[in-house]
Amino acid sequence: DAGITQSPRYKITETGRQVTLMCHQTWSHSYMFWYRQDLGHGLRLIYYSAAADITDKGEVPDGYVVSRSKTENFPLTLESATRSQTSVYFCASRWTGQETQYFGPGTRLLVL
Amino acid sequence: KNEVEQSPQNLTAQEGEFITINCSYSVGISALHWLQQHPGGGIVSLFMLSSGKKKHGRLIATINIQEKHSSLHITASHPRDSAVYICAVRSGGSNYQLIWGAGTKLIIKP
Repeated sequence: DAGITQSPRYKITETGRQVTLMCHQTWSHSYMFWYRQDLGHGLRLIYYSAAADITDKGEVPDGYVVSRSKTENFPLTLESATRSQTSVYFCASRWTGQETQYFGPGTRLLVL
Repeated sequence: KNEVEQSPQNLTAQEGEFITINCSYSVGISALHWLQQHPGGGIVSLFMLSSGKKKHGRLIATINIQEKHSSLHITASHPRDSAVYICAVRSGGSNYQLIWGAGTKLIIKP
C-alpha cells in the first residue's frame, strides 16, 4: 500500500515485555518521526531519523529504542514495557527541506 | 507554562456557526502548522504559515508574528468538521522538531 503504515494498530502487552511497533513508508522520505499522544498533552517526540542509520533522541526517549537500517522502515522498540508507556503512538515522515509531516494511522498500546 | 497554548480546549457549536481556534506561542518561530485529527485518530496537515493568511475551502489560517498568535477559522461549520485541531510551531533554532499544542476538540452539532 502506498503511504505510511503502522503495525500493529492495537497491542496489549504486560509490564516487562519487549514490544516493537513498526512503521513503513513508501515515499522514500528522508525524515521519520515517532510520537506518543497522551490525554492532556500535545504530541511528544520520542525519536527521529534524518536518514537511514541516522537517529536522534527527541523529547521523551527513555525506555525506547529505534533503528533505521532501511529508508522505508523505522521500528520503535519498548525494551521492557511499563504502564506509563500506555499511549497512542504515531509515526510520521517528510521530505528533506519540506515542512509538512505525513502521519501514520497510529498504534494504540496498552501495557497491563 | 507550555510554549504553545491553544484555546479553547473544547468547543461545541451549532452547524453553520463561524468557528475560531487560537494558538499562542512564546518562542521565536520559523513556521507554524495547523493539523486536524479525525475522531478515528488520523492526523493530517491543514496549513503551514510563516506570515499572513492562507485559505483552503472553508478553512482560513492567519498568523501575527509580532503578537505570536495564530488563528484557525472555519466558516459555515459542518458536523464533519468535528475533530481535534492541533497547532505546532518550528522554532527558529530547530531543524527538525516541532513544539506541539495540546489541541482543541471541536464538536459541531447538526
